[in-house]
Amino acid sequence: DIQMTQSPSALAASVGDRVTLTCRASQSISTFLNWYQHKPGKAPKLLIYGAYSLQSGVPSRFSGSGSGTDFTLTISSLQPEDFATYYCQQSDSTPYTFGQGTKLEIK
Amino acid sequence: QLQLQESGPGLVKPSETLSLTCSVSGGSISSSKYYWAWMRQSPGKGLEWIGSIYYSGSTYFIPSLRSRLTMSVDTSKNQVSLRLTSVTAADTSVYYCARHEKITKSPFDIWGQGTMVTVSS
Repeated sequence: DIQMTQSPSALAASVGDRVTLTCRASQSISTFLNWYQHKPGKAPKLLIYGAYSLQSGVPSRFSGSGSGTDFTLTISSLQPEDFATYYCQQSDSTPYTFGQGTKLEIK
Repeated sequence: QLQLQESGPGLVKPSETLSLTCSVSGGSISSSKYYWAWMRQSPGKGLEWIGSIYYSGSTYFIPSLRSRLTMSVDTSKNQVSLRLTSVTAADTSVYYCARHEKITKSPFDIWGQGTMVTVSS
């Protein structure tokens, strides 16, 4: 199975900050990497697919980059609604696997 | 717009069978374009993909659950179901259903809110 490792596991930041979250795959997954935002009690929301493609309706302050084994999700200017847990997921091969998540908290 | 809603018993006894349903509204589960997937998240842990099913009944599962897992589609009710036998406390999780395109390597683009299942006597 492909292991996905996210860092940091938690991050405290302020509204307006630029933040970068990292995801590493245990083997190359090309650009088959997706990012999700999850708030408690809500449905997870797809933000980025294919490493860098913005899902329809997602604000442009979210961006993704990377290929192979190393990927990043950047939020250019944090908004109050962005405080949530973010997960990466590889769709290169089954079993599809997720990172353990990065919890983004208000400083 | 498409919405997914999971439902289930909430509490299941050890060694019994867990049955969950995902009801799809705003679209047809019989679309040739999509697979329907189940994920789960145990308390304090990350998300785990369990398996996926096509409207025709074709399935693929995570190997660790393959011997205990069944998925089915009811096109008349626009529902997908999951059945997990011989449950233990390790199966206590929030269970989510989601959609992904049939084309290979696609993301899970729409999810339900999840339903909590506790395995306890």
